Amino acid sequence: QKEVEQDPGPLSVPEGAIVSLNCTYSNSAFQYFMWYRQYSRKGPELLMYTYSSGNKEDGRFTAQVDKSSKYISLFIRDSQPSDSATYLCAMSDSGNTPLVFGKGTRLSVIA
Amino acid sequence: GAVVSQHPSWVICKSGTSVKIECRSLDFQATTMFWYRQFPKQSLMLMATSNEGSKATYEQGVEKDKFLINHASLTLSTLTVTSAHPEDSSFYICSARVVLELNTEAFFGQGTRLTVV
Repeated sequence: QKEVEQDPGPLSVPEGAIVSLNCTYSNSAFQYFMWYRQYSRKGPELLMYTYSSGNKEDGRFTAQVDKSSKYISLFIRDSQPSDSATYLCAMSDSGNTPLVFGKGTRLSVIA
Repeated sequence: GAVVSQHPSWVICKSGTSVKIECRSLDFQATTMFWYRQFPKQSLMLMATSNEGSKATYEQGVEKDKFLINHASLTLSTLTVTSAHPEDSSFYICSARVVLELNTEAFFGQGTRLTVV
């Protein structure tokens, strides 16, 4: 079993829809959870960061972490065509260790 | 947020030549930087961890003599692909983690697309 599992998609939704992106993981030591957005031919851009369990909201984006289920989610409300990108989840067990990434989910928001 | 600048953004080189990629932290000091490689439609694979003033730590399967990493200062790490071959063509990305008050966040450079012909 891979450390981080993420459905690669592609996921296609109409503009305005609520998007739910998810990752599961196996390492119970993970405490730092991040979501990145990556446009084609660009480096990943940090979207959301969560430490330990709980929810975090930033504009149209909400990140959730459920450590008991080893499951994290990213919700995008009122999705826009500009949200079309690949979304990568990433996590680590400490502040100075490299991140372990999911494969990324390719999202297309259709106008 | 913190800024990590990576240069060049793309490079084409001939087989057998060497290419240097720079990664700079612009508004913070990074004692540790990470180098990743990403193939098309694949996730980021960690190549090595670069520590300022000491030797890099390479992941299993990554040739340290081929991918030379130098972290000479707290704001600069370089990756040199030596004697490049077409199979080295990939997207290389550096990252640095920023220690904030109670937690850390990781920021990435823009990436370098290397094409070896």
